[in-house]
Amino acid sequence: QVQLQESGPGLVKPSETLSLTCSVSGGSINTYFWSWIRQPPGKGLEWIAYVHHSGSTDYNPSLKSRITISVDTSKNQFSLKMNSVTTADTAVYFCVRGQPVTGSYYFDSWGQGTLVTVSS
Amino acid sequence: EIVLTQSPGTLSLSPGERATLSCRASQSISSRYLAWYQQKPGQPPRLLIYGASSRATGIPDRFSGSGSGTDFTLTISRLEPEDFAVYYCQQYANSPWTFGQGTKVEIK
Repeated sequence: QVQLQESGPGLVKPSETLSLTCSVSGGSINTYFWSWIRQPPGKGLEWIAYVHHSGSTDYNPSLKSRITISVDTSKNQFSLKMNSVTTADTAVYFCVRGQPVTGSYYFDSWGQGTLVTVSS
Repeated sequence: EIVLTQSPGTLSLSPGERATLSCRASQSISSRYLAWYQQKPGQPPRLLIYGASSRATGIPDRFSGSGSGTDFTLTISRLEPEDFAVYYCQQYANSPWTFGQGTKVEIK
């Protein structure tokens, strides 16, 4: 059974860069799609970006100018960087596995999530 | 961007009752690309249904999904105490992938 674990600072100052890493265990990072999804406190879910083990990526246009997603297959990890953060970026960030289907993928395994607070 | 609108916002029911949750898309999507998730407080979402009607591994058969085009439904045939939670639909037909705003199923 695959397990995903987010890691990174829980507090980031406004205008700085948020950096998160997801460690994948119990399975290879190859074959699947790997995403970040966030959830502001008390609100709904927002897909941020995905990376494939091949290195292909896709980003939510609403965040694309500020984010970079990458994968390190040697470490079975993938990462998210978001620059110029504001208080609106305060959220629980989930790393998620995408199960491939024809032409797309659905989210079948989720990490527990990590709360990132943007505050001075 | 495809907007998903879920209704009702809150559903107040008793254990043993039937729950019917709706998800409407702003444009037609293939049923192959519609999923449902359950989320309890302090937990990540859990995949219930993918491809509009296929249950994920380990999901009880009291959960069922249906629909096509722009209208999709999640049905819980008989509510168990552990089913009271928030439910989200999600489309993976067109990027950016989007979620509905959620339906909360609460104990009446």
